[in-house]
Amino acid sequence: DAKTTQPPSMDCAEGRAANLPCNHSTISGNEYVYWYRQIHSQGPQYIIHGLKNNETNEMASLIITEDRKSSTLILPHATLRDTAVYYCIVTRGGSEKLVFGKGTKLTVNP
Amino acid sequence: ETGVTQTPRHLVMGMTNKKSLKCEQHLGHNAMYWYKQSAKKPLELMFVYNFKEQTENNSVPSRFSPECPNSSHLFLHLHTLQPEDSALYLCASSQGPSGGSGDTQYFGPGTRLTVL
Repeated sequence: DAKTTQPPSMDCAEGRAANLPCNHSTISGNEYVYWYRQIHSQGPQYIIHGLKNNETNEMASLIITEDRKSSTLILPHATLRDTAVYYCIVTRGGSEKLVFGKGTKLTVNP
Repeated sequence: ETGVTQTPRHLVMGMTNKKSLKCEQHLGHNAMYWYKQSAKKPLELMFVYNFKEQTENNSVPSRFSPECPNSSHLFLHLHTLQPEDSALYLCASSQGPSGGSGDTQYFGPGTRLTVL
């Protein structure tokens, strides 16, 4: 079973920031928080990951709470192409399998 | 473009056919994975290979037979499949057990398989 809880769907206006929450209250100290997204019928696309500190890359920012029990993925300026299912996954890495839940269906509206 | 390619992208086969799915990674990774995504279901891990050795088989029926001849190539041989095996089959690769700072898996585009 997935170790994370995400809202099933969210909407966002084009050009605005999309903030996608994830709860992972049972996360272990050596587990990372990963975010992937999947556009319809394509392979999942890696977005970002973090352990304790907040992270930023060219796609998104990841904010992890101090107790590490939740996190938020931020797409700073959402576009129509960001419409996808976003998955928050907790994993130790090291070729451990990724357990995908149902994710959040983000719809970016014009 | 993630550096992981899969062929074919689409495949239609009968229940008595034998076919193979191919995956190739150009990332210098040591671990490769097969996942299955059925309609309206989450991705499910099927097999894991580390340094060409199978390290995980997630109770997959024997009609699915993986092969990993080297760290860059992974095959999934299919025979006597059932219509319920129709799904998107995804390949992924990662650094493997020696990967530090987490071990990011990169996915290919998938093969959409339809079994008639």
